[in-house]
Amino acid sequence: AQSVTQLGSHVSVSEGALVLLRCNYSSSVPPYLFWYVQYPNQGLQLLLKYTTGATLVKGINGFEAEFKKSETSFHLTKPSAHMSDAAEYFCAVSDGNTGKLIFGQGTTLQVKP
Amino acid sequence: EADIYQTPRYLVIGTGKKITLECSQTMGHDKMYWYQQDPGMELHLIHYSYGVNSTEKGDLSSESTVSRIRTEHFPLTLESARPSHTSQYLCASSEVGSRYTFGSGTRLTVV
Repeated sequence: AQSVTQLGSHVSVSEGALVLLRCNYSSSVPPYLFWYVQYPNQGLQLLLKYTTGATLVKGINGFEAEFKKSETSFHLTKPSAHMSDAAEYFCAVSDGNTGKLIFGQGTTLQVKP
Repeated sequence: EADIYQTPRYLVIGTGKKITLECSQTMGHDKMYWYQQDPGMELHLIHYSYGVNSTEKGDLSSESTVSRIRTEHFPLTLESARPSHTSQYLCASSEVGSRYTFGSGTRLTVV
């Protein structure tokens, strides 16, 4: 069985500060890992994904995430937060076979001026 | 521009009514999914389909039903809506390699 845990349901940073959203997963098979962003009253948008290959994955809007197998983590980072980054962020894992995604609880990112 | 469409975006309906949430995609994806999301909570898979005439229950038990008569269409039906069904419902489709495309969601309120 697969599961995802996002540490911190609410993260607040100042504009220009580093963004770090934590995600740990468990999977009995090599995982596919994803980060999605959800702006208010909108659907989900893919930020980035890891399937195989390079463990540092770059996504849209300046976000990146690093797959660390030894730590079973896939934390999302951005060097400098922007006001427009305020949203809900979801980490998800898939086994790549069934295509089913298991989502974490979500982390609300607040960006203060 | 969205390639997966959900209607309606918002729905307020009385208890006991039958409702159908529409989901259509234009990408020819075989796999389609319905997720339920309560405010501030994680997404839960309630139904999925791997192709025409294929439907399966997801990880979260739901009183809703789905059908997949055409590749592009994956409607969700509640025969008798109740306040406990109040939630956001997100439809998604995917291609090989698990890249998902999500609709904008339907926010359902049952009064």
